[in-house]
Amino acid sequence: EDQVTQSPEALRLQEGESSSLNCSYTVSGLRGLFWYRQDPGKGPEFLFTLYSAGEEKEKERLKATLTKKESFLHITAPKPEDSATYLCAVQGGSEKLVFGKGTKLTVNP
Amino acid sequence: EPEVTQTPSHQVTQMGQEVILRCVPISNHLYFYWYRQILGQKVEFLVSFYNNEISEKSEIFDDQFSVERPDGSNFTLKIRSTKLEDSAMYFCGARASRQETQYFGPGTRLLVL
Repeated sequence: EDQVTQSPEALRLQEGESSSLNCSYTVSGLRGLFWYRQDPGKGPEFLFTLYSAGEEKEKERLKATLTKKESFLHITAPKPEDSATYLCAVQGGSEKLVFGKGTKLTVNP
Repeated sequence: EPEVTQTPSHQVTQMGQEVILRCVPISNHLYFYWYRQILGQKVEFLVSFYNNEISEKSEIFDDQFSVERPDGSNFTLKIRSTKLEDSAMYFCGARASRQETQYFGPGTRLLVL
């Protein structure tokens, strides 16, 4: 059974304080690892797709990396508007995405 | 980001009543999904739909649930006889192919009383 574990569950940062979120996964035949941002009461908003170990993608202050067992979402010099829950999901041999519980990020000004 | 829309944004219903949740996927997307998120819990897969057929479903998706795309645009999720435990956010997902990114709508918050 595919599984995703995200850590930490919650993270508080000061504005400008860089950090990383972790997503550990087990999956049969990884077809994609996805990062989404979710604001309260809203749907997941797509950030990145990673397909193979060693791949990296960047968008503004965010950078996602992938190894054979985990992915990291690095946040550089975060701003208060980066506050959200960040979701990691994997797709294995089937149609569905399997999600982790997310990391709730709070960035204080 | 491509936009998936959902209606209604909120739905309150009595236990045992039928509800229909609607989704308008992105026009060139062919694969459609429903997920749900109970408050404070993970986003969970319910069902995938392609070429007017269910291609995969989870254990949650029992006989009380059904999906269809009656007019080639709207994609609906019907819950025939709602239970208290059906209270959750329901998200519609869509993608152009099995290899591409799955995009989600803003969700319908369902409350069963």
